[in-house]
Amino acid sequence: DSGVTQTPKHLITATGQRVTLRCSPRSGDLSVYWYQQSLDQGLQFLIQYYNGEERAKGNILERFSAQQFPDLHSELNLSSLELGDSALYFCASSFGQGVSEAFFGQGTRLTVV
Amino acid sequence: AQTVTQSQPEMSVQEAETVTLSCTYDTSESDYYLFWYKQPPSRQMILVIRQEAYKQQNATENRFSVNFQKAAKSFSLKISDSQLGDAAMYFCAYRSAKLRGGADGLTFGKGTHLIIQP
Repeated sequence: DSGVTQTPKHLITATGQRVTLRCSPRSGDLSVYWYQQSLDQGLQFLIQYYNGEERAKGNILERFSAQQFPDLHSELNLSSLELGDSALYFCASSFGQGVSEAFFGQGTRLTVV
Repeated sequence: AQTVTQSQPEMSVQEAETVTLSCTYDTSESDYYLFWYKQPPSRQMILVIRQEAYKQQNATENRFSVNFQKAAKSFSLKISDSQLGDAAMYFCAYRSAKLRGGADGLTFGKGTHLIIQP
């Protein structure tokens, strides 16, 4: 158990809908990272938050957004969902913003039908 | 932009034997980290081993060791005494050590599916 908690584990929704994925980092970790794993694109970095502020952006679509709350949990919001958004979404956390090691949650499997 | 290449989509090894997974990367930076992550069927991403680019000594974690060749931009993973529980997808990953207004995330390779034959 990495200490990073993601909910829900599975999510099935229809095209055009909006969903929210939740991540609770390890106790004491200030950085949260979101990744998408799909068959087409592999594992891709989406976005990073550090202590409530956005720190880095990767290949995140404009339809997607994230935030980190004062209690350090994070949410990834996916809107206007398309079939191609079906993927495994991982959250990872680390203590600092530049530390080398991040710990991954078990992921949320999103299926868009 | 950095890229990570794993040229072996699948590898197979007999239990108790040794296997080496290949990884090459491309970067113009001199300071960075390299990682091997394991993803078993449970989907959990598990850190296997990491290497700091400034360290010449190859990292070792029990049965797992790396061969880090900085000039060649090569970072292979050797698994000794392979066990059935080692069966998984293995991902090589790169991360810059610089803080460019914040740290970037990991850049992953496409992965190598490791099969352990009993």
